[in-house]
Amino acid sequence: AQKVTQAQTEISVVEKEDVTLDCVYETRDTTYYLFWYKQPPSGELVFLIRRNSFDEQNEISGRYSWNFQKSTSSFNFTITASQVVDSAVYFCALNKGAQKLVFGQGTRLTINP
Amino acid sequence: NAGVTQTPKFRILKIGQSMTLQCTQDMNHNYMYWYRQDPGMGLKLIYYSVGAGITDKGEVPNGYNVSRSTTEDFPLRLELAAPSQTSVYFCASSYGGGWRGYTFGSGTRLTVV
Repeated sequence: AQKVTQAQTEISVVEKEDVTLDCVYETRDTTYYLFWYKQPPSGELVFLIRRNSFDEQNEISGRYSWNFQKSTSSFNFTITASQVVDSAVYFCALNKGAQKLVFGQGTRLTINP
Repeated sequence: NAGVTQTPKFRILKIGQSMTLQCTQDMNHNYMYWYRQDPGMGLKLIYYSVGAGITDKGEVPNGYNVSRSTTEDFPLRLELAAPSQTSVYFCASSYGGGWRGYTFGSGTRLTVV
């Protein structure tokens, strides 16, 4: 069965530090999709990235980067030079078949000024 | 485009009362979902629909009902509210299923007292 584990419940860093959020997944599918969503204090869920299992290239978008490693079943998210606006709960997710997503428990990230 | 619209944003219910959480999307998405978010527990799937007239249970369907009479609308009905249903409820939609990712509504914070 599909499962997503985000072992870090809460992380707190000082502004401008780099921070990595871990995501470990389990699936028996050979083709699958991984996602990251951001939930800022306002509460909405914002899509950040979608990655398929055939593309192990790291992705960089501004201060955000994602490291996908099939060998360790991980899809980690790094924020470089963190800012207070990055404070949020971050969710990693994995598709369960074609229809649904399974979410991790989320990591609450606090960036202190 | 409004995207996915949920109403109400906040609601307090007394034990045993009933209510309907409304969800509508204007993106012509065939898939729609209801999740609940409990603190530290991530997002749990309550019900989902693959198209008008078709619904199916998720992980935590007890105490809830849904219907999907149109592509746009996917209301969630709570009958006989219980304190255990205190949560934040998110509606989401997708064109083609979870493997494509979701667009989320802004959520409904429900408290049952």
